[in-house]
Amino acid sequence: DIVMTQSPDSLAVSLGERATINCKSSQSILSSANNKNYLSWFQQKPGQAPKTLFYGASTRASGVPDRFSGSGSGTDFTLTINTLQAEDVAIYYCQQYYGGPITFGQGSRLEIK
Amino acid sequence: QLVQSGAEVKKPGASVKLSCKASGYTFTSHAIHWVRQAPGQSLEWMGCVNVGNSHTEYSQKFQGRVTIARDTFASTAYMELFSLGSEDTAMYFCVRGDGPGSWLFDYWGQGTLVTVSS
Repeated sequence: DIVMTQSPDSLAVSLGERATINCKSSQSILSSANNKNYLSWFQQKPGQAPKTLFYGASTRASGVPDRFSGSGSGTDFTLTINTLQAEDVAIYYCQQYYGGPITFGQGSRLEIK
Repeated sequence: QLVQSGAEVKKPGASVKLSCKASGYTFTSHAIHWVRQAPGQSLEWMGCVNVGNSHTEYSQKFQGRVTIARDTFASTAYMELFSLGSEDTAMYFCVRGDGPGSWLFDYWGQGTLVTVSS
């Protein structure tokens, strides 16, 4: 199985500042056939179902504010949230869909400082 | 939109069957995945169904203990988990794939809480 490891496990950032979450896969999830990274990011607010933020490592899902950005390739990926707002408090998960079984990172809890 | 069935309480050794009713899109054009989340834990993929051709794929962890199916007339997907133990207490989500056999998740159901307790 492909292991997804996120860092940090938790972070506290001041309102208006930038938050950065990293995700590392145990093997490359970049397809040589189509040059796409099979990496998604999800946001889960307290008591809610997860919501898809990004797929293909950097393609923003419908309705996601552009202060959220995704980057990276191969085995190393980053989720960046600029100008942090109170509504961004959540747990963020990365996920690979390159090879079965689909696997998720352990999650990164984002709080306001 | 994906609307899941209500909470369930089951005894150890029993089975549970959850439903996920789709609306607002062509049901047969998208896969349905099932993901679970134990209390305070991360997300765990269980398997999926290609709604168009009924082909299923399962995580090896659940192989033989889970069945995923769909009813195209009812626009509903189902997940049945057998031989429940306390470790199966979790929130279960259905998730739409962005194509018939796609592993790319786009929309999530609201979740169904399953509690296994004697």
